[in-house]
Amino acid sequence: NAGVTQTPKFQVLKTGQSMTLQCAQDMNHEYMSWYRQDPGMGLRLIHYSVGAGITDQGEVPNGYNVSRSTTEDFPLRLLSAAPSQTSVYFCASGKDRQPQHFGDGTRLSIL
Amino acid sequence: KNEVEQSPQNLTAQEGEFITINCSYSVGISALHWLQQHPGGGIVSLFMLSSGKKKHGRLIATINIQEKHSSLHITASHPRDSAVYICAVWASGSRLTFGEGTQLTVNP
Repeated sequence: NAGVTQTPKFQVLKTGQSMTLQCAQDMNHEYMSWYRQDPGMGLRLIHYSVGAGITDQGEVPNGYNVSRSTTEDFPLRLLSAAPSQTSVYFCASGKDRQPQHFGDGTRLSIL
Repeated sequence: KNEVEQSPQNLTAQEGEFITINCSYSVGISALHWLQQHPGGGIVSLFMLSSGKKKHGRLIATINIQEKHSSLHITASHPRDSAVYICAVWASGSRLTFGEGTQLTVNP
């Protein structure tokens, strides 16, 4: 009964470091997506996937990579962290290409 | 102008009051979502609707496609309803466009 699990919950990075935010769901949802949430801007879509092996860019994809090798997992990679990527990140999954279940979020700070 | 506008931005109510949060959008859509984000940060999907009205407990969501408008109503509000309520629309492709949210505070 895990739903959508995001790890880590908190992370502090230095500029230029790389890291991967993990997202896993156990509901066999085809659709998964990553969002960032910034004050005054609402949630914005970074990347999404409509099934294993299929990914596409959202509204703000620059600086982020994703892959979808399994239905369950959809990791988000920051290749070279920048202070502008300081944000709260949410992963979501759902049916019919709609995000219906959200993870608890990852608070990421880039120094 | 944002594609999704919510009003009010902030709302304070007394326990028991009937609450309405509004969402207007400027594009044709196939679905509209209402989400709830609690102070701890987690996001919960409340409703997804494309026409008419849906009800779940004390929450009611309505949508008027012709007027490009949706409302979220909370009956008999309670302090535990205090949260940010977010409207999001599904216009095309596979992406949602989100409003900035309405901060609701319900005082005992």
